[in-house]
Amino acid sequence: GAVVSQHPSWVICKSGTSVKIECRSLDFQATTMFWYRQFPKQSLMLMATSNEGSKATYEQGVEKDKFLINHASLTLSTLTVTSAHPEDSSFYICSATRQGWTDQPQHFGDGTRLSIL
Amino acid sequence: QKEVEQNSGPLSVPEGAIASLNCTYSDRGSQSFFWYRQYSGKSPELIMFIYSNGDKEDGRFTAQLNKASQYVSLLIRDSQPSDSATYLCASSGNTPLVFGKGTRLSVIA
Repeated sequence: GAVVSQHPSWVICKSGTSVKIECRSLDFQATTMFWYRQFPKQSLMLMATSNEGSKATYEQGVEKDKFLINHASLTLSTLTVTSAHPEDSSFYICSATRQGWTDQPQHFGDGTRLSIL
Repeated sequence: QKEVEQNSGPLSVPEGAIASLNCTYSDRGSQSFFWYRQYSGKSPELIMFIYSNGDKEDGRFTAQLNKASQYVSLLIRDSQPSDSATYLCASSGNTPLVFGKGTRLSVIA
């Protein structure tokens, strides 16, 4: 159980393109999902916390107008990187918990490798 | 600021040995602790979680928690080359998981 599906797994696109990444919890309802970014050989960096039916909470330094997050249902959250530029190239990973985050492990999707040319 | 500290390694152990990975955390309010394994280019995979002081065993893995010392560890018995990865320690309280930077483990055949 506790499967999180992330799509697409790899995206290559031109600078200025907007890219949407989907994160789905397949066998449980996720009231909270998280979006991370990881640059090569660096640690996970939390970008935002996504709560179903409400606005996402962004970490300091993350531009909310550039990284649009929508969590419209208990099984789906999306991250849209708007007008992506080469510096946005990174490994984006989502995770989800069954009930909030206290005492519950986060289960990760397989990640999306984004390359902006 | 809530922090989780790990030695970045690399930690090298011979095949068949016990690998010991350590982690300290700063937030005394942390209630849950998790160990994730991350292979290069892949997303983290949950290995174990522990909530109570003491040891918790699952196969070749043992997690140890000492809340008084704010210390969490992961022991891997009979280490295999396939265990070579980065191991992330994470703590949770009333906030999203706080991850350490990870310890890179290399098991040498």
